[in-house]
Amino acid sequence: RKEVEQDPGPFNVPEGATVAFNCTYSNSASQSFFWYRQDCRKEPKLLMSVYSSGNEDGRFTAQLNRASQYISLLIRDSKLSDSATYLCVVPLTDSWGKFQFGAGTQVVVTP
Amino acid sequence: DVKVTQSSRYLVKRTGEKVFLECVQDMDHENMFWYRQDPGLGLRLIYFSYDVKMKEKGDIPEGYSVSREKKERFSLILESASTNQTSMYLCASSPSGGVGANVLTFGAGSRLTVL
Repeated sequence: RKEVEQDPGPFNVPEGATVAFNCTYSNSASQSFFWYRQDCRKEPKLLMSVYSSGNEDGRFTAQLNRASQYISLLIRDSKLSDSATYLCVVPLTDSWGKFQFGAGTQVVVTP
Repeated sequence: DVKVTQSSRYLVKRTGEKVFLECVQDMDHENMFWYRQDPGLGLRLIYFSYDVKMKEKGDIPEGYSVSREKKERFSLILESASTNQTSMYLCASSPSGGVGANVLTFGAGSRLTVL
């Protein structure tokens, strides 16, 4: 089993709709979690950090479920510009400075 | 605007050539990283450095070496490029503590093709 797993998608979402997807992690000791977005052929950029139960930034909400060991990302009122791959990143707890990356979830927002 | 700058966006090299990929950050970050990203495999750590002249192997260091002579610069070297090193190479940096610890800032990437 991969240590950080994501549904690769693609999630095809009509403009204006809501989409949500999860990232499961295997290390129960993980304390912080990050969502990055990566546009096609571009670098990943930080979208949100999650340190406790969740975080909200405008149309984006991240939630942490420690019991089931997953974080979710919800995008409300989807825009065409939200089309991207969303990467889940979890710092390693036993190897300082290193990170585990999910393979990414592709979201395609359609007109 | 803080930045991680990778000197070459696109490179085409021949098998056996030596390749230098340069990365410079202006955020005074202690940690710097080199990843490669391939379809279906995600990001894989090649090397990272937590201080000047310090380096640690990542998950796939074979065929690569690195150099960090100054805090702001982290270079990736392919001593003898091979076709299986065709990939997108991403440099990143992060502070070692304080606000933003564990937050990675990536460069724009260097897409290397080895013929």
